[in-house]
Amino acid sequence: KQEVTQIPAALSVPEGENLVLNCSFTDSAIYNLQWFRQDPGKGLTSLLLIQSSQREQTSGRLNASLDKSSGRSTLYIAASQPGDSATYLCAVLNTGGFKTIFGAGTRLFVKA
Amino acid sequence: NAGVTQTPKFRILKIGQSMTLQCAQDMNHNYMYWYRQDPGMGLKLIYYSVGAGITDKGEVPNGYNVSRSTTEDFPLRLELAAPSQTSVYFCATRDRAYEQYFGPGTRLTVT
Repeated sequence: KQEVTQIPAALSVPEGENLVLNCSFTDSAIYNLQWFRQDPGKGLTSLLLIQSSQREQTSGRLNASLDKSSGRSTLYIAASQPGDSATYLCAVLNTGGFKTIFGAGTRLFVKA
Repeated sequence: NAGVTQTPKFRILKIGQSMTLQCAQDMNHNYMYWYRQDPGMGLKLIYYSVGAGITDKGEVPNGYNVSRSTTEDFPLRLELAAPSQTSVYFCATRDRAYEQYFGPGTRLTVT
């Protein structure tokens, strides 16, 4: 059974710092991995989608990497800003499955 | 495009009452999902649908029912509401590239 874990559960950094959020999964037979952002009281916004054949995806200050063999993905945020404060969730879609499994998220706070 | 819309935004139910959470999408996506999110937890899949007329259970289907008569709509029905169903409910769709799109959520409290 696929399990997705995100460490740390919460993170506080000063503005301008580069940071890495971690996501691990137990079954490497995945179709893709998606990173989401969730603001308090809001829905999920897709940030990056990495297909299983890809190693990384970039969007602006965000870079997500995928290492299927080790069951890990990282989300790198460069030059963090207070507006980046939110909860970041990763989710994996298993090969041949219809269901996406979510991690519990990392709550990020960027101090001005 | 409105994307994925959900109504209502908030609702308080008494134990034993029933209600339907509405979800609609205008992206012509075949796949639709209902999740619940409890505080500090990831999302748990309740039901999903791969197209009109086809639905299947997710991880936590007990106490819920769904129907999918059209591509656009995927309502979630709660029968005999219980305090354990207090949660935030999200509807989502998936496109052909397997990317998911979420609605804004419905915050439900059962007292």
